[in-house]
Amino acid sequence: GENVEQHPSTLSVQEGDSAVIKCTYSDSASNYFPWYKQELGKGPQLIIDIRSNVGEKKDQRIAVTLNKTAKHFSLHITETQPEDSAVYFCAATRREAAGNKLTFGGGTRVLVKP
Amino acid sequence: NAGVTQTPKFQVLKTGQSMTLQCAQDMNHEYMSWYRQDPGMGLRLIHYSVGAGITDQGEVPNGYNVSRSTTEDFPLRLLSAAPSQTSVYFCASSYYKGAGYEQYFGPGTRLTVT
Repeated sequence: GENVEQHPSTLSVQEGDSAVIKCTYSDSASNYFPWYKQELGKGPQLIIDIRSNVGEKKDQRIAVTLNKTAKHFSLHITETQPEDSAVYFCAATRREAAGNKLTFGGGTRVLVKP
Repeated sequence: NAGVTQTPKFQVLKTGQSMTLQCAQDMNHEYMSWYRQDPGMGLRLIHYSVGAGITDQGEVPNGYNVSRSTTEDFPLRLLSAAPSQTSVYFCASSYYKGAGYEQYFGPGTRLTVT
């Protein structure tokens, strides 16, 4: 089955700096890679996703890059703000998989210091 | 539109007790899933359903049962609670968006088994 590894497990950045979280996956058939943000006491919320036929996708201050050959993908947050403090999860799956059986990374706790 | 709702929010059980975690969604999504979240391990899939009357096992199904009699509801039953089932449980519903299945998570149930 799929295995997703995520690094680092914790990340502390100064407000205004950039944050980068990296994930690797094992199943070369995976073709959909969502990122989730989880705030304290809440369920994860989808913030951005990317398909395997796309190398990069941006949405305002967040971007995701995918290197299918190396089987890794990354989340980039620019101009970080205190409200970006949360736990971030990457995930991987095959789009065709019934029920969208996501395999998650272990999570990265991001702290943005004012 | 309430989205995905879960009850109870917190629960303490003694070893050997049984209980049902409730999950409901009002978005008419076909797919629903149950995950457990443990520190440093991300979210792991317990069971999922691709429609009313159809369920299947995820990565960590032992000790849990599910059923899906309606599109809206997807309860998770703990048959005989064990301390290893102490965790935060998330229910999710999803639909196919084009890039992949977009999952919506509930707020979670924090379960402690003593």
